[in-house]
Amino acid sequence: RKEVEQDPGPFNVPEGATVAFNCTYSNSASQSFFWYRQDCRKEPKLLMSVYSSGNEDGRFTAQLNRASQYISLLIRDSKLSDSATYLCVVTGATNKLIFGTGTLLAVQP
Amino acid sequence: SAVISQKPSRDICQRGTSLTIQCQVDSQVTMMFWYRQQPGQSLTLIATANQGSEATYESGFVIDKFPISRPNLTFSTLTVSNMSPEDSSIYLCSVGGGPLYGYTFGSGTRLTVV
Repeated sequence: RKEVEQDPGPFNVPEGATVAFNCTYSNSASQSFFWYRQDCRKEPKLLMSVYSSGNEDGRFTAQLNRASQYISLLIRDSKLSDSATYLCVVTGATNKLIFGTGTLLAVQP
Repeated sequence: SAVISQKPSRDICQRGTSLTIQCQVDSQVTMMFWYRQQPGQSLTLIATANQGSEATYESGFVIDKFPISRPNLTFSTLTVSNMSPEDSSIYLCSVGGGPLYGYTFGSGTRLTVV
């Protein structure tokens, strides 16, 4: 079983749609959780950290369920510019980052 | 968050040669991380570089193939040695800001081995 698992997609959604990505992780001792965004041929960039109480940043909402070892990202009112690969990232031992394989989002006009 | 300057941004190399990738950070950091992203794959950690000590390598990566230097708290290099086409990949360095600020990545080095 992979340490971090994501649905690879692609998710093809129209502009304005709401889309949700899910991620599960295997290490119950993981302490920090992130969603990163990676545009084609670019480096990953932090989208948001994920806190136990859940957190929101504009159109983006992240949720963490420690009991189920599950993280989600909700994007409301999708924009064309949201098209990218979204990486679920979890810290393992010694703050090592464990990356999911990413979920590809394509927002269509 | 830290700003990382990584170079070269890309290179095409002959098999059997070596390439050294550099990362310069605009602030002092304790740990720097080196990743590989193979085509169509996510990122895989190669090693963690601490200043003043040997790098810690992940399973499947060895120092002879990927020697790392960390001469001070703002700089690190990764060398890809005796390259083969299987080493064609994007190599990225990263520094950590912790759970609040996440981790920052260099812009990556796109390596093609022919």
